[in-house]
Amino acid sequence: DTGVSQNPRHKITKRGQNVTFRCDPISEHNRLYWYRQTLGQGPEFLTYFQNEAQLEKSRLLSDRFSAERPKGSFSTLEIQRTEQGDSAMYLCASSRGANYGYTFGSGTRLTVV
Amino acid sequence: EDQVTQSPEALRLQEGESSSLNCSYTVSGLRGLFWYRQDPGKGPEFLFTLYSAGEEKEKERLKATLTKKESFLHITAPKPEDSATYLCAVQLGNAGNMLTFGGGTRLMVKP
Repeated sequence: DTGVSQNPRHKITKRGQNVTFRCDPISEHNRLYWYRQTLGQGPEFLTYFQNEAQLEKSRLLSDRFSAERPKGSFSTLEIQRTEQGDSAMYLCASSRGANYGYTFGSGTRLTVV
Repeated sequence: EDQVTQSPEALRLQEGESSSLNCSYTVSGLRGLFWYRQDPGKGPEFLFTLYSAGEEKEKERLKATLTKKESFLHITAPKPEDSATYLCAVQLGNAGNMLTFGGGTRLMVKP
């Protein structure tokens, strides 16, 4: 069990650029989640995959955001035309089922300048 | 609207000074309540899940309890290494395993 891995750890980008983050979940976990956390706040749900199917999306996930989980393994989160308000920590988590806690990765901290 | 509120926002304790953190929730159809610990610059680390009122769970100096409206995280004789942000989250029965988090309590334990 190597845990949930997220890359990159930090990303600084100029406003208007596109960015992509990667998450590698724990291998036997079929559920994968993306959350966003701003300073001093709790994480907010963005989207959820069960295997390769994206089953739920938050209204926070505007059409500039897209997430994929090809073949039910790793996942990517892309933000197009970044805005300063997108600056946050993007957290990925995985779990083995509905009655299990999540295991979070260390997150990707995005700064939009 | 489903709400999760944690108090206090910040708590300073002397080493060995026991205290409790509160998580109150207004939700329909609670499936589970989770406690996490988060260190600066890291992702949350799972501590406990509670499923029904009256349930208690313990781990080292931490004990979590659950009622129908709130949960408490009791910290007994804390040490400086217990300093972190403690997050609670609720899972609703109809929410596809999604968690709704409170804002967290920042705990600082001074030696």
